Amino acid sequence: DVKVTQSSRYLVKRTGEKVFLECVQDMDHENMFWYRQDPGLGLRLIYFSYDVKMKEKGDIPEGYSVSREKKERFSLILESASTNQTSMYLCASSLFLAEETQYFGPGTRLLVL
Amino acid sequence: DQQVKQNSPSLSVQEGRISILNCDYTNSMFDYFLWYKKYPAEGPTFLISISSIKDKNEDGRFTVFLNKSAKHLSLHIVPSQPGDSAVYFCAASYGAGGTSYGKLTFGQGTILTVHP
Repeated sequence: DVKVTQSSRYLVKRTGEKVFLECVQDMDHENMFWYRQDPGLGLRLIYFSYDVKMKEKGDIPEGYSVSREKKERFSLILESASTNQTSMYLCASSLFLAEETQYFGPGTRLLVL
Repeated sequence: DQQVKQNSPSLSVQEGRISILNCDYTNSMFDYFLWYKKYPAEGPTFLISISSIKDKNEDGRFTVFLNKSAKHLSLHIVPSQPGDSAVYFCAASYGAGGTSYGKLTFGQGTILTVHP
């Protein structure tokens, strides 16, 4: 079974803090993704990576950066957290081709005060 | 600009009846469509998919229909069960078999409640 794990289920941070969200997958998938889920907006893609050290902006990259130093690990970084980044963050991974299923982690609910 | 839209935020059905969830898209380049199901406090899980070369795909109680001319897809669940109560997201991608890296565009989601 594919397993995607996220480092925290719940996080509370203060405005201006630097926040790291970690995601690890154990199926040797090439692609990894970071989404945020907000009520009425669905899942929106923040960044994705198709190979180690490769990254591409998604639909809402502002205020975020990512790091992929190893194939199994994809980190999302909030350089200076703001209250409008309070959200559910979901990581996913998939094999290379477009029609391959994405497998999601359980999510991290981030509250920025 | 929302390229994938689920216009019904919620749907309530009786156990044993059919659930029909709808999804519309605007980008004609999309050629692969998926439905994901999400329970509270869990990540979405893949349910069923359809390629644009087909108009129907069936998997047990779940059937997805695609109408390319209308840019519309729907998910039918027959018969509906209380365990089907969840949020359902439709998603779309393009470049199947190519190098779009599997990037998905999701709809807003529809909350399905199946009453016993």
